[in-house]
Amino acid sequence: GQQVMQIPQYQHVQEGEDFTTYCNSSTTLSNIQWYKQRPGGHPVFLIQLVKSGEVKKQKRLTFQFGEAKKNSSLHITATQTTDVGTYFCAGALTGRRALTFGSGTRLQVQP
Amino acid sequence: ETGVTQTPRHLVMGMTNKKSLKCEQHLGHNAMYWYKQSAKKPLELMFVYSLEERVENNSVPSRFSPECPNSSHLFLHLHTLQPEDSALYLCASSQESGRAGNEQFFGPGTRLTVL
Repeated sequence: GQQVMQIPQYQHVQEGEDFTTYCNSSTTLSNIQWYKQRPGGHPVFLIQLVKSGEVKKQKRLTFQFGEAKKNSSLHITATQTTDVGTYFCAGALTGRRALTFGSGTRLQVQP
Repeated sequence: ETGVTQTPRHLVMGMTNKKSLKCEQHLGHNAMYWYKQSAKKPLELMFVYSLEERVENNSVPSRFSPECPNSSHLFLHLHTLQPEDSALYLCASSQESGRAGNEQFFGPGTRLTVL
């Protein structure tokens, strides 16, 4: 079936290092969203990408949507301990009435 | 606060109990969702309601029964659960305009333990 795959599953970095998580869909997405879930918390919306090749930035976070609208990435520059959490991508697949979430990437930042 | 509340926040129940989870959204949205989050499957969509009509039911066992009496309230009725049903149950809402894929607002979740 239609899936949204996310890698890596887990990453441990030293504070100040960069971090990237990747999201891939088996089918074209009408849009992709990114969410962050802090430990013990609930997913919180970060951003939505709609256009092919779109790039958006939020301070140290850079989000990209692939040209074919099948993949996306989230890059964090110079991680901080406040970046700790699980990052989920979520794609809007054709014919589905709801988002399909990726499996998430858990980020741990060592101070 | 995201405008989506869930009660109770924690629930412990036996396999023969019947309980209900409640979700309320104060955002004026027209779609509501139930998700199950566990270590095995991080965010598993269970049910989708749009304009109070169930539009998706992702092969969820019948021991989970959703109810959406109006666009602001969503319930998940539980009966004869199994220990493997222990998980965090998240409710979310969004404003849909005919084509899915708008930002979802999540509640804090109900941590369910089935003994």
